[in-house]
Amino acid sequence: DAGVIQSPRHEVTEMGQEVTLRCKPISGHDYLFWYRQTMMRGLELLIYFNNNVPIDDSGMPEDRFSAKMPNASFSTLKIQPSEPRDSAVYFCASSTVGGSEQYFGPGTRLTVT
Amino acid sequence: DQQVKQNSPSLSVQEGRISILNCDYTNSMFDYFLWYKKYPAEGPTFLISISSIKDKNEDGRFTVFLNKSAKHLSLHIVPSQPGDSAVYFCAASAGTRRGTSYGKLTFGQGTILTVHP
Repeated sequence: DAGVIQSPRHEVTEMGQEVTLRCKPISGHDYLFWYRQTMMRGLELLIYFNNNVPIDDSGMPEDRFSAKMPNASFSTLKIQPSEPRDSAVYFCASSTVGGSEQYFGPGTRLTVT
Repeated sequence: DQQVKQNSPSLSVQEGRISILNCDYTNSMFDYFLWYKKYPAEGPTFLISISSIKDKNEDGRFTVFLNKSAKHLSLHIVPSQPGDSAVYFCAASAGTRRGTSYGKLTFGQGTILTVHP
């Protein structure tokens, strides 16, 4: 079975540009999570969905960040406009039972110059 | 406010010896704990977990111990192998059984484990 798929793997963009990160969860998983990893803050949860519905977005840093899950097999995390401090590795994860045994994708390394 | 702390940024051990990774937490609502392993350029992978109703869980070379009174857990790897060299993250969840905050994991900062041949 394919694991969690994220695209792109690397993204380099200029400040002010819109960035869209994509995630395909494992088929049959009903929870989807977006995380951000930075040296300063470690691995932090941004938002998570259950059955395509956002449950907790308290980790989303500000209004420039938005996430959607239009169907069970696809989610996006959008940053508009992007800033250099958004540079990080963004992970998507999915699970069948929330809070345990989350399966992570390979991550998207975002660099905003 | 860091609710899950891994105070050792790195650990170096000899192949065949025991590796002990430590994790402390402050939130008494946490009732489920997990360890993840991460290799460079990959996402974290689930390693082992423990519920707060237990104090030990074992899976092959990996054992997790939970001391609720001290709000401390540890991961033991015996014997350590060079392939175990990775970053290890401790994570915790609250309300897993009660359905509140369901799905929300709080991670520690990670410990870099290096196992020398």
